[in-house]
Amino acid sequence: EVQLVESGGGLVQPGGSLRLSCTASRFSFSRHWMNWVRQAPGKGLEWVANIRQDGSEKYYVDSVKGRFTISRDNAKNSLYLQMKSLRAEDTAVYYCARIGDCTGGTCFDAFDMWGQGTMVTVSS
Amino acid sequence: SSELTQDPAVSVALGQTVRITCQGDSLGSYYASWYQQKPGQAPLLVIYGTNKRPSGIPDRFSGSSSGNTASLTITGAQAEDEADYYCNSRDTTGNYYVFGSGTKVTVL
Repeated sequence: EVQLVESGGGLVQPGGSLRLSCTASRFSFSRHWMNWVRQAPGKGLEWVANIRQDGSEKYYVDSVKGRFTISRDNAKNSLYLQMKSLRAEDTAVYYCARIGDCTGGTCFDAFDMWGQGTMVTVSS
Repeated sequence: SSELTQDPAVSVALGQTVRITCQGDSLGSYYASWYQQKPGQAPLLVIYGTNKRPSGIPDRFSGSSSGNTASLTITGAQAEDEADYYCNSRDTTGNYYVFGSGTKVTVL
């Protein structure tokens, strides 16, 4: 089955660190920009970070710059999010999401595949 | 960065038509996409490239855009369409993505 599966979530104290993983199955992982999107309890979706196919470009939402690092290992079909200096406001379900293929030379920038999410709770 | 603004909630009678709008400066330059999210589930792409439907999405879902406003229309809403809907696009710099605040659709 074509899918994305996140892991690594859990309970962490404020100031602590956590590393999320996302493993891709049955598609050409290395062809796609990959993203992390989060959703705080009862709140909307927030884009967190993304990374180019070869890892040469990375972008972050302002609230996580300097604290979170996105990376990937195309040989392992895996995406990662290293989170440090965690705050209560980082508490959320973290989703891994794929940007779909370009079609006929046009790139539509849509998140066409999502994982099931992994919960991160930052609390003492 | 920039923001995408959506109405918090709308309701629609079963079988009727509802339109959800998304306003933002970046929509004049970048494609909009729309996501359906039901409680406890991951988001699902329902419209991309402003007006294209992924395989498997019913044709009662359609998208359009005018200036800085993108719209998602559900024609003949069904009970299973009750969900939160989020728009998404790049921000005005083009380097980041931004989601709308979400619209809760209730089917009466």
